[in-house]
Amino acid sequence: SYELTQPSSVSVSPGQTATITCSGDGLAKKYARWFQQKPGQAPVVVIYKDSERPSGIPERFSGSSSGTTVTLTISGAQVEDEADYYCYSAADNNWVFGGGTKLTVL
Amino acid sequence: EVQLVESGGGLIQPGGSLRLSCAASGFIVSSNYMSWVRQAPGKGLEWVSVIYSGDSTYYADSVKGRFTISSDNSKNTLYLQMNSLRAEDTAVYYCAATTVTLLDYWGQGTLVTVSS
Repeated sequence: SYELTQPSSVSVSPGQTATITCSGDGLAKKYARWFQQKPGQAPVVVIYKDSERPSGIPERFSGSSSGTTVTLTISGAQVEDEADYYCYSAADNNWVFGGGTKLTVL
Repeated sequence: EVQLVESGGGLIQPGGSLRLSCAASGFIVSSNYMSWVRQAPGKGLEWVSVIYSGDSTYYADSVKGRFTISSDNSKNTLYLQMNSLRAEDTAVYYCAATTVTLLDYWGQGTLVTVSS
C-alpha cells in the first residue's frame, strides 16, 4: 500500500482561492477522490476521478492531477466551505486516506 | 437519489459482538463496490472492508478474522458483523458505495463504543 499526505490546515479569507494538495506514489496510477466533512454530517464527495465534479457541487470546486500529486481548488471560497477535506484513493482492494485538511474561511 | 442509512451502533463491552446495517436506496447493493470505513474519535479515516460481485471480500489486517462483511440482495442492505470487539474498534462506522462511474456515496455513520 502507499500513503497520502495532505497539509493539516489551510486558511483563506472569503472570496480567495483555497488550494489543498495531496501527494502519494499511488496517485500516479489511481484516481483520487476528495470529500468534504462537516461536524456531525455525512461525508460528501466534491471531486472524483481526479477532476470530475458530482452534480450539485458548486462550480468553484475543481480538481487537478500531476504525477503523484492531486490538488483540490476552491475558487472564491465561501464561509460555508469551512470543513475538513480528505483525499483518498484505491489501492489493492482497499482505500488509502490522507490525514485530512482543516479549511478555515474567515 | 442514492441514500445510505447505517444503523446498529451502540455501547458494547470488550469481547462483545455487534452487527451494523447499511440500508441502500437509489441503487443496487449487489451491483456495486460496497465498503465500510471507520473514524476513531478525533482521528483520521481507516478503511475496514469491501465486498463486490456478491462474494469477493477483503479486510483490513486490524479486523481480519473478527469482522465479516455481507449483503442481503432481497433487502438491498450491507452488513458488518463485528465479533471480539476491542477498545480500539471504537469509532464512527461509515458505509460507502462506489458506482460504475467511480463516484462514491457515503452514509451518515453509526457510532460504536467499546467500553466496560
